[in-house]
Amino acid sequence: IQLTQSPSLLSASVGDRVTLSCKGSQNINNYLAWYQQKLGEAPKLLIYNTNSLQTGIPSRFSGSGSGTDYTLTISSLQPEDVATYFCYQYNNGDTFGAGTKLELK
Amino acid sequence: EVQLVESGGGLVQPGRSLKLSCLASGFTFSNYGMNWIRQAPGKGLEWVASISSSSSYIYYADTVKGRFTISRDNAKNTLYLQMTSLRSEDTALYYCARRADNWANWFAYWGQGTLVTVSS
Repeated sequence: IQLTQSPSLLSASVGDRVTLSCKGSQNINNYLAWYQQKLGEAPKLLIYNTNSLQTGIPSRFSGSGSGTDYTLTISSLQPEDVATYFCYQYNNGDTFGAGTKLELK
Repeated sequence: EVQLVESGGGLVQPGRSLKLSCLASGFTFSNYGMNWIRQAPGKGLEWVASISSSSSYIYYADTVKGRFTISRDNAKNTLYLQMTSLRSEDTALYYCARRADNWANWFAYWGQGTLVTVSS
């Protein structure tokens, strides 16, 4: 299964509602996770099973979707959210999207 | 607290070999499958290999099959990746990772990675 993330680069302002997209080449059956990776750090799990928030992750992060189309939403962008975000499917093997780089406008 | 600490990376010439290690702590290592995932500089993430808790099941990405060998020593709480016939495209940060649970397949725990550079 191939994952296509869009956009590849997103510029937004503090307080903005931000939406990142991830589209699979076939049905993912909700076995989708999102990771945040800051420069020089390992990926950090944010969301698993499409919409389950990992312990310790702020509630401004949320996930949704079904079938082949999935979304990560940040309800109110904070400066510390600047990072690259990867989607990952574990329905059939393990594949990652190419990432969306989120920067402050 | 789950901790995964990789080591063994470095600069190696094309065609040569290198062995990575990942020392695990904070959980019963012998109860969990383990994985290697890599990230080329400035690129995305690529799953490399998986090994089950007792080493009965082993899987590889097509890009490394026949060249890399994943193994583990449960007595030493250590995961390994033996890499042979290295190519420039194997240059990457190599992460050791564990899934959330044996029934929960997402990668929940990651080490900090060890950098492998393949260059003459």
